[in-house]
Amino acid sequence: EAGVVQSPRYKIIEKKQPVAFWCNPISGHNTLYWYRQNLGQGPELLIRYENEEAVDDSQLPKDRFSAERLKGVDSTLKIQPAELGDSAVYLCASSLDIGEQYFGPGTRLTVT
Amino acid sequence: AQTVTQSQPEMSVQEAETVTLSCTYDTSESDYYLFWYKQPPSRQMILVIRQEAYKQQNATENRFSVNFQKAAKSFSLKISDSQLGDAAMYFCAYRGGSQGNLIFGKGTKLSVKP
Repeated sequence: EAGVVQSPRYKIIEKKQPVAFWCNPISGHNTLYWYRQNLGQGPELLIRYENEEAVDDSQLPKDRFSAERLKGVDSTLKIQPAELGDSAVYLCASSLDIGEQYFGPGTRLTVT
Repeated sequence: AQTVTQSQPEMSVQEAETVTLSCTYDTSESDYYLFWYKQPPSRQMILVIRQEAYKQQNATENRFSVNFQKAAKSFSLKISDSQLGDAAMYFCAYRGGSQGNLIFGKGTKLSVKP
């Protein structure tokens, strides 16, 4: 069974540029999470989807971050414009309902 | 708000020896779950072990076991017969019974010496 797929694995951009991350969850998993992991810290939730609905986006900086999960499968997380402080690893996870979460390999974003 | 604290930024263990990683948490909920995740340099978070708060028996998975002290809100991970492949960051995490979100500690970097 394929795990959670994320792309790209690495991204380097200049500040003020836009960037997008893509996540394909495990087949059949209706719940999808985006976490941000700053250097030396544990992951922190940005947004949680149940099917197509964002049920918790309270930690998503809505002035520059957006996310979508069309058709309740793949998801895209976008930052526009990126700031230096956005440098982090962005992790996607999926689960069946609120069961065990399976994580993808993450995208390491560097903003210069 | 729930919090998770890992007070050991780094730990070291000799191969084949036993090491214990500490974790404390704070919550007012009665229904919750606790987890230990391993994150190697590849960055992929791997579930090591989970504990349901309503279970008194400590969870065990092969060489990994926990010491769950509910009254003290403590949840430590014991790794027996440490192997070189156990070297990684270890994160303690909390999830409320009705919530999907995981709340992580800051992690403990475990080194294994040959």
